[in-house]
Amino acid sequence: QKEVEQNSGPLSVPEGAIASLNCTYSDRGSQSFFWYRQYSGKSPELIMSIYSNGDKEDGRFTAQLNKASQYVSLLIRDSQPSDSATYLCAVNTGNQFYFGTGTSLTVIP
Amino acid sequence: AAGVIQSPRHLIKEKRETATLKCYPIPRHDTVYWYQQGPGQDPQFLISFYEKMQSDKGSIPDRFSAQQFSDYHSELNMSSLELGDSALYFCASSTKGQGAREQYFGPGTRLTVT
Repeated sequence: QKEVEQNSGPLSVPEGAIASLNCTYSDRGSQSFFWYRQYSGKSPELIMSIYSNGDKEDGRFTAQLNKASQYVSLLIRDSQPSDSATYLCAVNTGNQFYFGTGTSLTVIP
Repeated sequence: AAGVIQSPRHLIKEKRETATLKCYPIPRHDTVYWYQQGPGQDPQFLISFYEKMQSDKGSIPDRFSAQQFSDYHSELNMSSLELGDSALYFCASSTKGQGAREQYFGPGTRLTVT
C-alpha cells in the first residue's frame, strides 16, 4: 500500500464549476499536508499547505483535512482552463515527504 | 522572489557515463531534497540534506551519491548511467525554521540516457 493514494483521474469539469480532488494517507503520525500543481514537463508548484483539522481557504482554493479519517481534499472554485494540470497530494511524515501519483484535472471551456 | 536554481536544465549522456546535477536552494533555506520523476510517475524521493549533513535517504541507487556544500548548494552525482535513469530530476529546498517544511521545487533537470 502506498503512503499516499489519489484517484488518478482524469477529472473533467466545465469552466466555472467546482473541482474536488481527494487524497488519503496511511500513516496516522503524518504531520503536514500539501497540494502541489504540476503542468506537464514542469516542476511541482506549492499551492496549499494544511496542518490542522478543518478547512483552509486561499482565494479559489480550499484545503480540507480530516486526520481521523486520514483524508485530505482540495476544492477549486470557479475552475478555469488554466487550472488544467496534475494535482499532487504530499504528506510529511517524520523526515520523509511522500507524494501521491497525482490527479489529472481538465477544465473544459 | 528568488527560487531554486538547477543546472543544467537538459543533459544527454550515454550508458555507463557519469552525470553531475547541481542545485542552488532558495537563500536562507538549509534543507535540500532530490527527487526523480519518470514519465507519468509521481516524484520519488532520493535523498535529503540538512545543514550539509545527509538527513534522510529514499530510493537512491548505490550508483548515485550526493552532497551539500558549505554554501548550501547540492550536487547529485550519477555514475554508470543506465537507460532507466532517464527522467526529470528535481531539487527542492525548505527551511526547518518553517516547521512544516514546505518544499519549493526547482525547474528540474531532464536527463536523457542513450
